[in-house]
Amino acid sequence: DAGVIQSPRHEVTEMGQEVTLRCKPISGHDYLFWYRQTMMRGLELLIYFNNNVPIDDSGMPEDRFSAKMPNASFSTLKIQPSEPRDSAVYFCASSLSFGLNTGELFFGEGSRLTVL
Amino acid sequence: GDSVTQMEGPVTLSEEAFLTINCTYTATGYPSLFWYVQYPGEGLQLLLKATKADDKGSNKGFEATYRKETTSFHLEKGSVQVSDSAVYFCALSLGTYKYIFGTGTRLKVLA
Repeated sequence: DAGVIQSPRHEVTEMGQEVTLRCKPISGHDYLFWYRQTMMRGLELLIYFNNNVPIDDSGMPEDRFSAKMPNASFSTLKIQPSEPRDSAVYFCASSLSFGLNTGELFFGEGSRLTVL
Repeated sequence: GDSVTQMEGPVTLSEEAFLTINCTYTATGYPSLFWYVQYPGEGLQLLLKATKADDKGSNKGFEATYRKETTSFHLEKGSVQVSDSAVYFCALSLGTYKYIFGTGTRLKVLA
């Protein structure tokens, strides 16, 4: 079975450029999460969706960040304009809900972003 | 607020040594507890979990017991291998799909 698929794996861009990261969740999963990982702050939840609807975006650092999920099999995280402090590894994860207990999160391999 | 505290690394061990990585948590309710592992260049993957007090999660020789009285979920393995070298994350969730991860503990196992 295919896992969570992210692209690109690596992105190097210059400050001020637009960056779009992509994610394909596991088929049938109804939750999708975007995380950011840095040495300084560890793993931070940016936003999550349930059935394609954004539920909590309180972790999005500022208006330069936006995320969409136009359908159940695709999500994007966009940074416009990008800044050097956005350099990090961005992970997408998906899960299947069951009752009141949270399920396992399935992570993609991440997109390593470097903003020069 | 809800939080997870795990021991700082790196932890360096010789092959076949005993491993303990400490994890304690603070939560307002009754969380589910998890250990995730991240191998170099990869995303996190679930190692084990426990959903209620006194539950023991186990996988690949790793174990952790949900201790409500000490609010702990320490990860243990009796004999580590070089292939266990990775970063280990303790995490909790209160059923809201908003996981809280610890900062991660890097383990390096030497042959």
